[in-house]
Amino acid sequence: GEDVEQSLFLSVREGDSSVINCTYTDSSSTYLYWYKQEPGAGLQLLTYIFSNMDMKQDQRLTVLLNKKDKHLSLRIADTQTGDSAIYFCAESPGGYNKLIFGAGTRLAVHP
Amino acid sequence: DTEVTQTPKHLVMGMTNKKSLKCEQHMGHRAMYWYKQKAKKPPELMFVYSYEKLSINESVPSRFSPECPNSSLLNLHLHALQPEDSALYLCASSLNQGQGGEQFFGPGTRLTVL
Repeated sequence: GEDVEQSLFLSVREGDSSVINCTYTDSSSTYLYWYKQEPGAGLQLLTYIFSNMDMKQDQRLTVLLNKKDKHLSLRIADTQTGDSAIYFCAESPGGYNKLIFGAGTRLAVHP
Repeated sequence: DTEVTQTPKHLVMGMTNKKSLKCEQHMGHRAMYWYKQKAKKPPELMFVYSYEKLSINESVPSRFSPECPNSSLLNLHLHALQPEDSALYLCASSLNQGQGGEQFFGPGTRLTVL
């Protein structure tokens, strides 16, 4: 089946690291994605990882993939107030680029 | 140019109205998508077009009618909608419909049905 789960809320202090976790169910997903959505806006693709990779780093963002446990995480280093948003994890099971999204994690960054 | 544009930004319509949402991209992408996002929920796929042909319809009611007049344009025609259809409608595009690759989203049209 297709199901993506995320914790709903994360609060961090400005300058700390944030870690957002996600579990997915479909092992046929070749790519896994992280999107960011600010209030009233569309989705911004932050990064994605190919399923044969364990880790991908892009500036302040680090994605870790544990394919055995179907666990994906997004680490944001030196979190800033501009990082406050909802972060969606998504899988693309079986082809066709059909994205299945998790419920989204609301990240709140406080001084 | 890595932009997907959508018009209008906001739309209010009555249940008897006919309206259309428009989406455009000039990235040479051959797959285009419509998603629906209700408040505080994740986006849900509605339709996928690949090379201007409808390839996926996620059992969407016929009051939503998609159209892809050319490789850069995607429309969503709306007729006899219900208040529960009020949502953010997101368009996206990707290079093709094969598995993987980047899917770029537009800013969305916020639709209110009275």
